[in-house]
Amino acid sequence: AQSVTQLDSQVPVFEEAPVELRCNYSSSVSVYLFWYVQYPNQGLQLLLKYLSGSTLVKGINGFEAEFNKSQTSFHLRKPSVHISDTAEYFCAVTLLMNSGGYQKVTFGTGTKLQVIP
Amino acid sequence: DGGITQSPKYLFRKEGQNVTLSCEQNLNHDAMYWYRQDPGQGLRLIYYSQIVNDFQKGDIAEGYSVSREKKESFPLTVTSAQKNPTAFYLCASSRDETYEQYFGPGTRLTVT
Repeated sequence: AQSVTQLDSQVPVFEEAPVELRCNYSSSVSVYLFWYVQYPNQGLQLLLKYLSGSTLVKGINGFEAEFNKSQTSFHLRKPSVHISDTAEYFCAVTLLMNSGGYQKVTFGTGTKLQVIP
Repeated sequence: DGGITQSPKYLFRKEGQNVTLSCEQNLNHDAMYWYRQDPGQGLRLIYYSQIVNDFQKGDIAEGYSVSREKKESFPLTVTSAQKNPTAFYLCASSRDETYEQYFGPGTRLTVT
């Protein structure tokens, strides 16, 4: 079964500093990869996605992520964070099987980003 | 505007009562999902439906039931058999299982 690992449950960072939120998945087959953001007491919102093509994906709010197949990673980055980026971030993976089917999406356990003024 | 609505935002029930959470979408999506979210545990899939009149159990279906009589609607019933029902419940939809999911605002259920 596929799994998604978000290594850090909480990441504190000062305002205007860069941040990287890590995501690794356990698979060697093709994947679709997603990052979502959740503000307190709200639903999740898509930040960015990788389906195919360029391994560097740009999303909303200045975030970007890089798909690294050899390291099975899809880390999320932002060069300069703002107070408004304080939220919980979820990585998600859909496996595409060699047989032509796919496994339903699996979410990581989330990383809480706390931006310190 | 297209989107997903969940109602109510907050719901309070006494132990032993069944309760139904509403989820409606006007995105014309075929697939719909119900997740449960508890602190530190991420999202856990309860049920999902790929098409009208069909649905499958997710990872934590015990104590829950669903129906999918219309494409737009996917209500979740939390039954009295669910041992620990207090949680934040999220509904989502997508074109199909390979595409990104669109989430509703969630319903926070408290059972006392």
